[in-house]
Amino acid sequence: DTAVSQTPKYLVTQMGNDKSIKCEQNLGHDTMYWYKQDSKKFLKIMFSYNNKELIINETVPNRFSPKSPDKAHLNLHINSLELGDSAVYFCASSSRLAGGDEQFFGPGTRLTVL
Amino acid sequence: GQQLNQSPQSMFIQEGEDVSMNCTSSSIFNTWLWYKQDPGEGPVLLIALYKAGELTSNGRLTAQFGITRKDSFLNISASIPSDVGIYFCAGQLKSNTGKLIFGQGTTLQVKP
Repeated sequence: DTAVSQTPKYLVTQMGNDKSIKCEQNLGHDTMYWYKQDSKKFLKIMFSYNNKELIINETVPNRFSPKSPDKAHLNLHINSLELGDSAVYFCASSSRLAGGDEQFFGPGTRLTVL
Repeated sequence: GQQLNQSPQSMFIQEGEDVSMNCTSSSIFNTWLWYKQDPGEGPVLLIALYKAGELTSNGRLTAQFGITRKDSFLNISASIPSDVGIYFCAGQLKSNTGKLIFGQGTTLQVKP
């Protein structure tokens, strides 16, 4: 009965590879997000989707491509991974319809690029 | 870009002590949120504030939305070991846009 889930929890890969992280929420929310947390624990929004439409894109390199097959899922695909992509990536969701700004986060995916 | 200045950066306190941390900005925010992050986990929402001057409690936690709408504080009373973690403030410049701006975090350690 996890609210926001992500897979995998850990991802170790070589530079230049392509990888995907999946996110699912069972809260019935209409908006989903991807955040990046760097080694200093700073959290920064990357993307936001509302009802499968991209609404926030924070000047993230186009090697990062989010995809939302439906309201409950938001996946993140990363091409040509670089060392600087190593970080913890968090998915989150909220309900804009409900008028709330409260976002609920998943457990995170720790990506290590070697 | 917009920044939130969160302080202190870290705190090391004795169990039972009260704790206070705050966030300030040069911009006016419409929403303030406080999160806690445990090691290896995602941030968990503690308190959400929507009106200037609003004071909200959640158990031993109390947070306030500053009157100027440029700051917020979080107090923890009678700290216990499980309060250990990183506390983040987050704000939205415009309500219901989804764009949260996070502070740098306050790392709290509690000595039993």
